[in-house]
Amino acid sequence: DPKIIQKPKYLVAVTGSEKILICEQYLGHNAMYWYRQSAKKPLEFMFSYSYQKLMDNQTASSRFQPQSSKKNHLDLQITALKPDDSATYFCASTPGLGAYEQYFGPGTRLTVL
Amino acid sequence: GEKVEQHESTLSVREGDSAVINCTYTDTASSYFPWYKQEAGKSLHFVIDIRSNVDRKQSQRLIVLLDKKAKRFSLHITATQPEDSAIYFCAASWANYNVLYFGSGTKLTVEP
Repeated sequence: DPKIIQKPKYLVAVTGSEKILICEQYLGHNAMYWYRQSAKKPLEFMFSYSYQKLMDNQTASSRFQPQSSKKNHLDLQITALKPDDSATYFCASTPGLGAYEQYFGPGTRLTVL
Repeated sequence: GEKVEQHESTLSVREGDSAVINCTYTDTASSYFPWYKQEAGKSLHFVIDIRSNVDRKQSQRLIVLLDKKAKRFSLHITATQPEDSAIYFCAASWANYNVLYFGSGTKLTVEP
């Protein structure tokens, strides 16, 4: 059974629209993260959450908003989509904050037309 | 912030040979250095890490070396197999911190 679920697997959106990327983890972890992988920046940290609280935000744009409704959920809302937002978005988790092995989800591949 | 440079963008070796991937980092405060593997079309999978209190770590065919003076670390894969073919990412982080700064990735091809 997959331990980290990301939905949808593929997503196509039009410029200016809004989308939500879903992430759920069933590892019992307390910290969750979002990363972005694109041709321009192979792997870029976006956000970290611990016990549903934002710990770190290295995304310059406020168009990206993480949302945590439960401890094992960390969704990513992206508004006013641009073609440059096209990337694969990975969710990850760790038992707690700190230097641990990170477990990555399968990713959501977003294409903005 | 931390910048991690991964020197080889591609690397091709013959099956059975060793492969070495080198990374450098800029922040002297970095103390945790993991490596991740990404097979084609798949997600990232942790392979090995090293912390700054040691300069060498081995896990089966994987060896990680850390040179803190030179701010350099490397992944050595010995006795390579075709299933080692993937993109390998190095990363760096501070102690007790959760942000990983990744290198740009090295595509390793192991030829039979």
